[in-house]
Amino acid sequence: EVQLVESGGGLVQPGGSLRLSCASSGFTFSSHAMNWVRQVPGKGLQWVSYINHAGAIYYADSVKGRFTISRDNAKNSLDLQMNSLRDDDTAVYYCTRDGGRAYEMDVWGQGTTVTVSS
Amino acid sequence: QSALTQPASVSGSPGQSITISCTGTRSDVGGHNFVSWYQQRPGKVPKLVIYDVSDRPSGVSNRFSGSKSGNTASLTISGLQAEDEADYYCNSYRSSATLVFGGGTKLTVL
Repeated sequence: EVQLVESGGGLVQPGGSLRLSCASSGFTFSSHAMNWVRQVPGKGLQWVSYINHAGAIYYADSVKGRFTISRDNAKNSLDLQMNSLRDDDTAVYYCTRDGGRAYEMDVWGQGTTVTVSS
Repeated sequence: QSALTQPASVSGSPGQSITISCTGTRSDVGGHNFVSWYQQRPGKVPKLVIYDVSDRPSGVSNRFSGSKSGNTASLTISGLQAEDEADYYCNSYRSSATLVFGGGTKLTVL
């Protein structure tokens, strides 16, 4: 079964750091680009970051310079290092798989919740 | 980065067809065929229903179809069913090497 499982969410103070991880199984991780997408409860989806199998990386303007996406193909895992966290980074963070055809996100994890608050 | 523009809500009766629009610019929707649509039922994780403007993933009902004209993409759901009630989001690749979602549309089945 194709699966993505996020971890690492929690409560952090403004200005703090947090590292999210996404463990994959059931498919050849190294062959797929991956994304992080976030959603404030009750609000819409916001794309955060993308990394492909060759290492090309994209970020949303709102997180550029603060967040770092990385992957470990040997461990089938995806990470998101989040620094200088702000109140508006509070959201559920989803790890998603790129289907490989048209930037579509064909597999989603269950999400991990990040709360930035003093 | 501004989001793609979707209507906040649409509604329809069982059996009817509805269309949700997603308007962008030449830099995103109008410049590529990299448009996808996602269904998010209440309390659930988003699910891909259309990719590459009009392709359906395996397992998605053929009642879902997608199209594009200029800077506007559209998702049409025919033969509406109660289970279609959900939030729908479009997504597009943008020429600045980013991806962008629409603000989301709440579909109510009357």
